[in-house]
Amino acid sequence: DVKVTQSSRYLVKRTGEKVFLECVQDMDHENMFWYRQDPGLGLRLIYFSYDVKMKEKGDIPEGYSVSREKKERFSLILESASTNQTSMYLCASGGAGGNTDTQYFGPGTRLTVL
Amino acid sequence: AQSVTQPDIHITVSEGASLELRCNYSYGATPYLFWYVQSPGQGLQLLLKYFSGDTLVQGIKGFEAEFKRSQSSFNLRKPSVHWSDAAEYFCAVMGYSSASKIIFGSGTRLSIRP
Repeated sequence: DVKVTQSSRYLVKRTGEKVFLECVQDMDHENMFWYRQDPGLGLRLIYFSYDVKMKEKGDIPEGYSVSREKKERFSLILESASTNQTSMYLCASGGAGGNTDTQYFGPGTRLTVL
Repeated sequence: AQSVTQPDIHITVSEGASLELRCNYSYGATPYLFWYVQSPGQGLQLLLKYFSGDTLVQGIKGFEAEFKRSQSSFNLRKPSVHWSDAAEYFCAVMGYSSASKIIFGSGTRLSIRP
């Protein structure tokens, strides 16, 4: 079975702190994704990566950056956390069009910024 | 613009009753189509997907979905729901190109009446 793990299930940070969310997948997938999930808005794509050291902006990249130094690991970075970044963050790995693969999700990190 | 609409925010059905969750999409061509389920506090799990071929797709946990091109719909159905089906359900679309991203609907929360 595909396994996508996220470093924390719950995280509480203060405004202005630098926050790192880590995601690791064990299926040698090329593609990895970071989403945020908010009530009534579904999932919105923040950033994705098709390969090591490669990243692409999603729909809502402002206030975030990412790092993919190794194929299995994709990190989301909040350079200076703000209260409007309080949300559930979901990592996924897998397909992204052009093939029959699909995306597999981690359990999520619920981040609260005070 | 590409979009996915789930018109029902919250649905309650009785245990043992049939279920249909609606999904409509707007896309330039026939996309890949997905249904995911999210149990409370969990990540998303793939229920089923449609890429091509038979328009009636069988998934896990007794779910099925039917692709109707003329209606741009991909509704999810289950003949008899169980209390464990209470969760949030997301419809999603993805294009064929390698640059395509998954677009999620805003979700439908399913509650089960004993």
